[in-house]
Amino acid sequence: RKEVEQDPGPFNVPEGATVAFNCTYSNSASQSFFWYRQDCRKEPKLLMSVYSSGNEDGRFTAQLNRASQYISLLIRDSKLSDSATYLCVVDSSASKIIFGSGTRLSIRP
Amino acid sequence: DGGITQSPKYLFRKEGQNVTLSCEQNLNHDAMYWYRQDPGQGLRLIYYSQIVNDFQKGDIAEGYSVSREKKESFPLTVTSAQKNPTAFYLCATSNSAYEQYFGPGTRLTVT
Repeated sequence: RKEVEQDPGPFNVPEGATVAFNCTYSNSASQSFFWYRQDCRKEPKLLMSVYSSGNEDGRFTAQLNRASQYISLLIRDSKLSDSATYLCVVDSSASKIIFGSGTRLSIRP
Repeated sequence: DGGITQSPKYLFRKEGQNVTLSCEQNLNHDAMYWYRQDPGQGLRLIYYSQIVNDFQKGDIAEGYSVSREKKESFPLTVTSAQKNPTAFYLCATSNSAYEQYFGPGTRLTVT
């Protein structure tokens, strides 16, 4: 089993739709969780950290479910500019951080 | 301006040659990382360093070498022993909260 698993997609949704991604992780001792966004042929950029209580940043909401060992990202009122690959990131051990393979999202007009 | 610089953006080499990719940061982060990304694939960890003069192998270290003589710099050498060196190479740093920040990457093509 991979340490971090994501549905590769692609998710193809209309502008204005709500879309959600899940990501599962295998190390129950993991403490730090993140979502990154990567545009085509660019470097990944930190989108948001995921806190135990869940957190929201504008149209984006991230949640952590420790019991089931997954994190989620919800995007509301999606924009064309949200089209990208979304990477789930989890710490595996001290200073070792594991990236998921990413979920591709395409927003259509 | 705080950030991470990688140079060059594009690099072309002949098979059998060693090549060194540069990564410099002025974020004052202790930890630095090198990843490789192949088309349509996720990031794979090559090497990481938590502190000056110390580094550890990642998942795919064979055919690569690094040094960490200064906090600001973490160069990666792709040796001729690396069987499939053509890829997108990304350098990153992380803060104490494990948030990673990436440089713009170097696209290496070996023919």
